[in-house]
Amino acid sequence: GQQLNQSPQSMFIQEGEDVSMNCTSSSIFNTWLWYKQDPGEGPVLLIALYKAGELTSNGRLTAQFGITRKDSFLNISASIPSDVGIYFCAGQGDSNYQLIWGAGTKLIIKP
Amino acid sequence: NAGVTQTPKFQVLKTGQSMTLQCAQDMNHNSMYWYRQDPGMGLRLIYYSASEGTTDKGEVPNGYNVSRLNKREFSLRLESAAPSQTSVYFCASSERTGGPYGYTFGSGTRLTVV
Repeated sequence: GQQLNQSPQSMFIQEGEDVSMNCTSSSIFNTWLWYKQDPGEGPVLLIALYKAGELTSNGRLTAQFGITRKDSFLNISASIPSDVGIYFCAGQGDSNYQLIWGAGTKLIIKP
Repeated sequence: NAGVTQTPKFQVLKTGQSMTLQCAQDMNHNSMYWYRQDPGMGLRLIYYSASEGTTDKGEVPNGYNVSRLNKREFSLRLESAAPSQTSVYFCASSERTGGPYGYTFGSGTRLTVV
């Protein structure tokens, strides 16, 4: 079945640093979604990508739909304390209309 | 506020007890989902309902049953709880399955089975 590898599993960064994380798939996806989960809450949609090569921003967040349709990247610029949480990628392919989820990247900001 | 509402927020069960987790959405979405979240494993789909009157198994359905009561409500039942079902459970909804529709999640039910 389809699998998503999300990396890194966790990141320890200083406030103000830029952050990059990515997801790769074993098969082609038509849609990539990026979610953020705050502690004690459900995931919230950050960015949705629908076309290969698409680059979309939401404030300090920028995500890209890889040209091969098998990967996606999320960048956060100038991180702030409220960026802490778990970031999930999710993708949808041709053969399965259910979303496939990555295992998450936990972002921790060092004091 | 519009969204997905889950009850209860916290629950402790003894092994063998049963309970039902409730979920309701007020966005007129057609599709609803139940996920469980375990540390380091992301979100795993238990059951989903593509539309009112239909339900289907997801990745990890064993030990669970669901009911799509109406368009708004989708409940998850544990008939005989086991410690392996200790997890955080999330309900979600989307306009429909298929196509690029993002999911809206509830805030979760934290279940501990002792």
